[in-house]
Amino acid sequence: KNQVEQSPQSLIILEGKNCTLQCNYTVSPFSNLRWYKQDTGRGPVSLTIMTFSENTKSNGRYTATLDADTKQSSLHITASQLSDSASYICVVSAIRGGSQGNLIFGKGTKLSVKP
Amino acid sequence: DSGVTQTPKHLITATGQRVTLRCSPRSGDLSVYWYQQSLDQGLQFLIQYYNGEERAKGNILERFSAQQFPDLHSELNLSSLELGDSALYFCASSTRGDRGLSPLHFGNGTRLTVT
Repeated sequence: KNQVEQSPQSLIILEGKNCTLQCNYTVSPFSNLRWYKQDTGRGPVSLTIMTFSENTKSNGRYTATLDADTKQSSLHITASQLSDSASYICVVSAIRGGSQGNLIFGKGTKLSVKP
Repeated sequence: DSGVTQTPKHLITATGQRVTLRCSPRSGDLSVYWYQQSLDQGLQFLIQYYNGEERAKGNILERFSAQQFPDLHSELNLSSLELGDSALYFCASSTRGDRGLSPLHFGNGTRLTVT
């Protein structure tokens, strides 16, 4: 079964610090991997999309990495700000969909940035 | 602003009732997706439409149905509501209906409370 696992479930860091969120997946055949940011009560917003051949992609203070061999991805946040407090969702796109559709969502990591 | 509009923002209704959630996709997007997000759960795929045709189906209950109209807006109908149907319902749209690199653009959801 296609699955996306994220860790940790939740994380608390101090403003200005860096952090790394993890995503492991068992999705086949793989198409691409996406990271979304979801503020409380709002819809998710796309941060990055990476294909099989891309190892790293940045979006401002957000840097995503992908290791397609080990089926792992990480999202690194640099110099965190209070506005980074949100859930970060890893989404893996399969070439063929099933009952989950083409996009398999992780449950997200809830990040809290404290002053 | 993602360009995806969902109405209403909040809906409170009683068990056994029927409701309709509406979604207007981003201008130019042909594909519409519906997701359910229960408290502290990941996004669960319900159904996808592309240019008026059903493209993929998730674990959508028989009590739920959806359609996409010629003007590309979509409606999700939920009937015989149960307490467990209380959740955030998100609509998302994308340019294409396949597993390409088009990011999903999410609306801010409709919060359904069944009492």
